[in-house]
Amino acid sequence: QVQLVESGGGVVQPGRSLRLSCAASGFIFRGYGMHWVRQAPGKGLEWLAVISYDESRIYSADSVRGRFTISRDNSKNTLYLQMNSLRPDDTAVYYCAKDECSGGSCFADHWGQGTLVIVSS
Amino acid sequence: EIVLTQSPGALSLSPGERATLSCRASQTVISIYLAWYQQRPGQAPRFLISGASRRATGIPDRFSVSGSGTDFALTISRLEPEDSAVYYCQHYGTAPYTFGQGTKLEI
Repeated sequence: QVQLVESGGGVVQPGRSLRLSCAASGFIFRGYGMHWVRQAPGKGLEWLAVISYDESRIYSADSVRGRFTISRDNSKNTLYLQMNSLRPDDTAVYYCAKDECSGGSCFADHWGQGTLVIVSS
Repeated sequence: EIVLTQSPGALSLSPGERATLSCRASQTVISIYLAWYQQRPGQAPRFLISGASRRATGIPDRFSVSGSGTDFALTISRLEPEDSAVYYCQHYGTAPYTFGQGTKLEI
């Protein structure tokens, strides 16, 4: 079955960097686009970025463009999120999600359990 | 950027009733490009149903979608206690793939 396991979260000081990983299994990773989505404590979901199966298309939210970079290593079945210049309002649970398209409709059909990032001095 | 506004913010209903959750877009969205997710307390979000009415594995046909243009809805019939969750809509047409702010449903 599809499994997505995020790692790399923790407590980090403002202005520092952190790299999150998402290990994928149970599907052909290199055939699917992948997303990062975050959720601040007690808040809703915020879409951050998507990367196509072959890295040819990358899109990101205005709120993180220029600071966060999505990437992937298909040889390792792993998705990454490089986060630079972290701010306290980046504190959130970060989820990776697998893209799926069916009948002309696309959606994030599988999600990881998330990794918590706390930005605090 | 397309802004999705969900209403109501919270809803409390009884088992067996029907819930209609609204998702309004700031500009026209093709209906098949709207997806819905469910997040139960303490859990990760999970895909519920696509704009083309494809349900996730295990999701019963009590869950349905409708709408066009800028107004969309998720309808849950014959409510059960396990339907208590926050429901989010998301558009998938052109990035950024924004989410609505969510509707909290209490049964």
